[in-house]
Amino acid sequence: EPEVTQTPSHQVTQMGQEVILRCVPISNHLYFYWYRQILGQKVEFLVSFYNNEISEKSEIFDDQFSVERPDGSNFTLKIRSTKLEDSAMYFCASSPYRVGEKAFFGQGTRLTVV
Amino acid sequence: QQPVQSPQAVILREGEDAVINCSSSKALYSVHWYRQKHGEAPVFLMILLKGGEQKGHEKISASFNEKKQQSSLYLTASQLSYSGTYFCGTESGGTSYGKLTFGQGTILTVHP
Repeated sequence: EPEVTQTPSHQVTQMGQEVILRCVPISNHLYFYWYRQILGQKVEFLVSFYNNEISEKSEIFDDQFSVERPDGSNFTLKIRSTKLEDSAMYFCASSPYRVGEKAFFGQGTRLTVV
Repeated sequence: QQPVQSPQAVILREGEDAVINCSSSKALYSVHWYRQKHGEAPVFLMILLKGGEQKGHEKISASFNEKKQQSSLYLTASQLSYSGTYFCGTESGGTSYGKLTFGQGTILTVHP
């Protein structure tokens, strides 16, 4: 089965530093998502992306966050100035269509802000 | 507004059955069920679209009651491998198609 790949698997960064989390969605998928899961809590939606623009974002996705699809294959999440509370597992997901289709999740990047 | 799952936790012995419920106050287009093991990504189980269908996947099946905006996940003759946290993700219509809002999760533990 095709899969979504994320790099790195674990990132440790100092508070205030910028981080970029990378994802390679499944090649023929059109919709891309970032989700976040703080340890022991539920998975939370951050942002959805379609046709090279954000289609929806949550209240968590403030000005510190940005997404990009720089080269047609990678899908990145940038956090400009990390805070301690940004420590979480970040999952990238993609789906072929928007409506009622299975979202394929990557294995996640564990971000630890110290 | 996130869906509400019940129960919060279930402890079973191998071979026993369990039901996990997911309720929403919003009109739903679909309900997605995932299982997550500790430290791993959520693994897709199934999607139910509005229309009250019921689907099955081996000994795991689910139903979606559109009138009640409620879905139930049925695990029969549980196996040790069923242990994990089960999340329902709900998809509403309008501009929120594709966006999944997850419940808080139900921790399922299966003992030998």
